[in-house]
Amino acid sequence: GQSLEQPSEVTAVEGAIVQINCTYQTSGFYGLSWYQQHDGGAPTFLSYNALDGLEETGRFSSFLSRSDSYGYLLLQELQMKDSASYFCAAGDKIIFGKGTRLHILP
Amino acid sequence: DGGITQSPKYLFRKEGQNVTLSCEQNLNHDAMYWYRQDPGQGLRLIYYSQIVNDFQKGDIAEGYSVSREKKESFPLTVTSAQKNPTAFYLCASSPPGHQAGYTFGSGTRLTVV
Repeated sequence: GQSLEQPSEVTAVEGAIVQINCTYQTSGFYGLSWYQQHDGGAPTFLSYNALDGLEETGRFSSFLSRSDSYGYLLLQELQMKDSASYFCAAGDKIIFGKGTRLHILP
Repeated sequence: DGGITQSPKYLFRKEGQNVTLSCEQNLNHDAMYWYRQDPGQGLRLIYYSQIVNDFQKGDIAEGYSVSREKKESFPLTVTSAQKNPTAFYLCASSPPGHQAGYTFGSGTRLTVV
């Protein structure tokens, strides 16, 4: 079956760096996407990795290793507004992981 | 501004009733999707459509139906056959490929009373 596994919760301190991991098993893999969702809101697209390596977009970076079926989202200089759930997604019919809730401490 | 509009934001349904959730987009995207999200859970695919007049079942299609008569519109009907319909429903659309990701509507929260 298809699945994406990510930690359910992560806690970090404001101003620090945090990494959210995702391992996947999907059919028709084209790349790994990441989404952010604040409580009660809609998911918003953050990044997409089709090839191995690191993609950087401002404070956020995303990494993919296709040989390891693994990726991560790296958030730097954490701000309180980054408190949200983060989902990895992949597959020919895009499926989502269950999400990682990021708690940020002042 | 382009985007996806879902309505209503909150919907209450009595047991045994069918209800229809609206999803309209003006992004000119061919592909549209319906997901269901339960508390603390990820998004599960209900139905998707890659072109007008065509749609495919997702992982949890039982108890749901859709239509795609216009490119802009992809309504979802939650039928009385859906045994546990209380959830947050999200509609999304995407251009071809995966690079731009999905654009989501703001969601409809359905509660059975």
